[in-house]
Amino acid sequence: EAQVTQNPRYLITVTGKKLTVTCSQNMNHEYMSWYRQDPGLGLRQIYYSMNVEVTDKGDVPEGYKVSRKEKRNFPLILESPSPNQTSLYFCASSLTGGYVYGYTFGSGTRLTVV
Amino acid sequence: ELKVEQNPLFLSMQEGKNYTIYCNYSTTSDRLYWYRQDPGKSLESLFVLLSNGAVKQEGRLMASLDTKARLSTLHITAAVHDLSATYFCAVDLLGNYQLIWGAGTKLIIKP
Repeated sequence: EAQVTQNPRYLITVTGKKLTVTCSQNMNHEYMSWYRQDPGLGLRQIYYSMNVEVTDKGDVPEGYKVSRKEKRNFPLILESPSPNQTSLYFCASSLTGGYVYGYTFGSGTRLTVV
Repeated sequence: ELKVEQNPLFLSMQEGKNYTIYCNYSTTSDRLYWYRQDPGKSLESLFVLLSNGAVKQEGRLMASLDTKARLSTLHITAAVHDLSATYFCAVDLLGNYQLIWGAGTKLIIKP
């Protein structure tokens, strides 16, 4: 089944403890991106990647890192999480940056930083 | 800076009625997307609108795009309870792959 897989689905952590949220797609998509969703704010883009080894900042990149060493994987790294990073995170991918087919989203990761 | 505004943000309606959700954006773009999100779920792609005058329909939902007015509409015809969800529009910056989202419209359809 074609899908975007995020792990974990739920995560509670403490301030300052490094964490990684994984994202993997099995559709050979070139484009991948990360979003955070907060009530009343819609989705805000954190980082995106047009292809392997190519990443760019979105609207809210501060406090996050990403890497794209393989086409299928695009992990989101929080080096020193803070409570304001408590949010619902989504990974998405698309064949050509959304053109024609749109984006496929993962199931989401609900992160709580205490 | 590209801004995307949806209205209304909340809509409660009766089954069988028609209504329209509006999506305005502030900067030139030629790609607009509509997504649906059920509570606690991921986002599901509804429509991809790629050119001025584009109109797409799926069941009781119809989306249109006017790039000159920087406006897209999502029209619901004879609403049914199963269409209750939050609907988002999103816009690409022209020549860029940075996607900007509206705040979402929470739609509740009462039987």
